Amino acid sequence: NAGVTQTPKFQVLKTGQSMTLQCAQDMNHNSMYWYRQDPGMGLRLIYYSASEGTTDKGEVPNGYNVSRLNKREFSLRLESAAPSQTSVYFCASSDMGQPYQPQHFGDGTRLSIL
Amino acid sequence: QQPVQSPQAVILREGEDAVINCSSSKALYSVHWYRQKHGEAPVFLMILLKGGEQKGHEKISASFNEKKQQSSLYLTASQLSYSGTYFCGTGTAGNTGKLIFGQGTTLQVKP
Repeated sequence: NAGVTQTPKFQVLKTGQSMTLQCAQDMNHNSMYWYRQDPGMGLRLIYYSASEGTTDKGEVPNGYNVSRLNKREFSLRLESAAPSQTSVYFCASSDMGQPYQPQHFGDGTRLSIL
Repeated sequence: QQPVQSPQAVILREGEDAVINCSSSKALYSVHWYRQKHGEAPVFLMILLKGGEQKGHEKISASFNEKKQQSSLYLTASQLSYSGTYFCGTGTAGNTGKLIFGQGTTLQVKP
């Protein structure tokens, strides 16, 4: 089973460039999430989508945009990348058909901005 | 606001026990625990819900004190495979599934 698939796995950008991180899940989950992970900071929520057609800001949304393309896919876009956005980005999904379900994480995208 | 985990790091010998704590300044409705090995994705361990319901792995135990807004993860008879970083995530009221994670506790189990 694929679970949550993130692409690309690694990326190097120059300051000011834009890019979109892709995430897809095959578990028919309603909710999807984007986190960034920096050393000593844990996982910080950037944006989330509780259900198809809805998106909401998390703890650190500045500099990012998201699109919930359909139930399977949730993309994260950096419009003008900055060195402070160098991080590991994780996408996750959960089944909100039942209350308080675990989140399933993708393998992450390691993004460096020079 | 981010929950606070303690300790930040712990080193054990195989067979020893450890307790990892998670404390929040907000009312807790659910607490999730995840383990992450270096270079890998976080993996679900347990959910504790307000009212006492728990869901998770057989060999992991945890507690949830709603009044103190605290949760503790108990790792007994530790094995080398327990090494990694442990995160607690606190859930809000409602059913968005949104979690706010603590900064993590690094556990190293030595032979």
